Order: sequence, then C-alpha cells, then structure tokens
Amino acid sequence: AQSVTQLDSQVPVFEEAPVELRCNYSSSVSVYLFWYVQYPNQGLQLLLKYLSGSTLVKGINGFEAEFNKSQTSFHLRKPSVHISDTAEYFCAVSEPPGSAAGNKLTFGGGTRVLVKP
Amino acid sequence: SQTIHQWPATLVQPVGSPLSLECTVEGTSNPNLYWYRQAAGRGLQLLFYSVGIGQISSEVPQNLSASRPQDRQFILSSKKLLLSDSGFYLCAWRAQPYEQYFGPGTRLTVT
Repeated sequence: AQSVTQLDSQVPVFEEAPVELRCNYSSSVSVYLFWYVQYPNQGLQLLLKYLSGSTLVKGINGFEAEFNKSQTSFHLRKPSVHISDTAEYFCAVSEPPGSAAGNKLTFGGGTRVLVKP
Repeated sequence: SQTIHQWPATLVQPVGSPLSLECTVEGTSNPNLYWYRQAAGRGLQLLFYSVGIGQISSEVPQNLSASRPQDRQFILSSKKLLLSDSGFYLCAWRAQPYEQYFGPGTRLTVT
C-alpha cells in the first residue's frame, strides 16, 4: 500500500522569504505525484503534478516541486512567499490506472503555512 | 470547462437526524467521483468513490452511505447523524487518469 508523509505540520515563514514543504512517499510501484493548496473554508486546488519526464515541475502561483525517485520525495518550494500564500498544502500520490489503487489518491496529513509580514 | 457543485455550503443538524449532501459535475461525462471528509485540524479521509452509475466503493466503515443515481451526481447520506460526523465534506471528480478536482465543500456541524 502507498503512503504519504508530510514532515512538517506547520511552517511559519516571513513574507518574501523562501519556503520548502517536505513530502515523502512510499509505494511499491511507479506513482504520480501532486501538490494541492487549500485556503480556509474552500476546496482543494491543484498546484502542480508530476507524471513523468523532467523531475522539476513548475506550477501555479510561482511554486515548483522536484521529484527525487531515489529518496522517494516530492518537495514543494517557492523562492519568495506572499501573505496570500497562507494556506494548507497537501501532497498526494496516485498509482497508475489499472493498478489496484489506480482510482484513488492518497494524501499526506497537510502542512499549514503561515506567512508573517 | 468542467464545474463541480456542492450543496448546501453549510449545514447544522442535531444528533440522530438524517443527512443528504449532493454533488454534481458539469462539462464532463463518466467521471470518477469521490467523497472526502476533513475533521477539524486533520487531513483528508476518503469515504467513498464511484467509477460509474450505481458503483460505490466504501473506504471507511461508518454510518454514512453514498449513491450515484446519475452519471454526474453523487450523494452522501446518513440515516442518523453522530457528533463525530461533523466536518468539512468535499466532493471531487476525475475524468483523466490523473488528478482530481475538488468542489467548494460543505461544512457540517452536528449538535
């Protein structure tokens, strides 16, 4: 079975500083990886995804993530955060279609980012 | 473009009362549909998913049930709510074999 661990439950950061949110996964097969953002009292919005190809993935709002197969990680980064980036961020993994878990996403526990002025 | 709707947006119900939450998707056909719950301060818990009309997979045993009466409609129900059913309920859909897209959610408070 696959699992996702987000190593930091909360990350305080000052405005215009860089931020990195850590995500590690475990799976016995190749996976697809995703980062979602959730603003208070809203649904989840897709930030970026890794399906194949280049291990550096760029997403919306200036975020990027790097897939590291040997370390089974998919860390999210932003070089300079804004107050509006205050939100909860979720890492998720999916197995390819046709596999036993191919219809589902497995989510990490989330990382709450608080951007301070 | 595709749109996903959930209603109601908020709901306050007494313990022991029934529940019906509805989710509909526009602009796509034969999507996979999902119900998640977020308890306060916790992550997402997958409750049910459906790959087609009348096909429901349950992920967690509880007093909730789901139905898919139409291709783009997904309903979450309960006959008798518990306090522990309080939370933020999210519906999601997936048309391509990759990412899921989420609705705006329903905040349920059981009193």
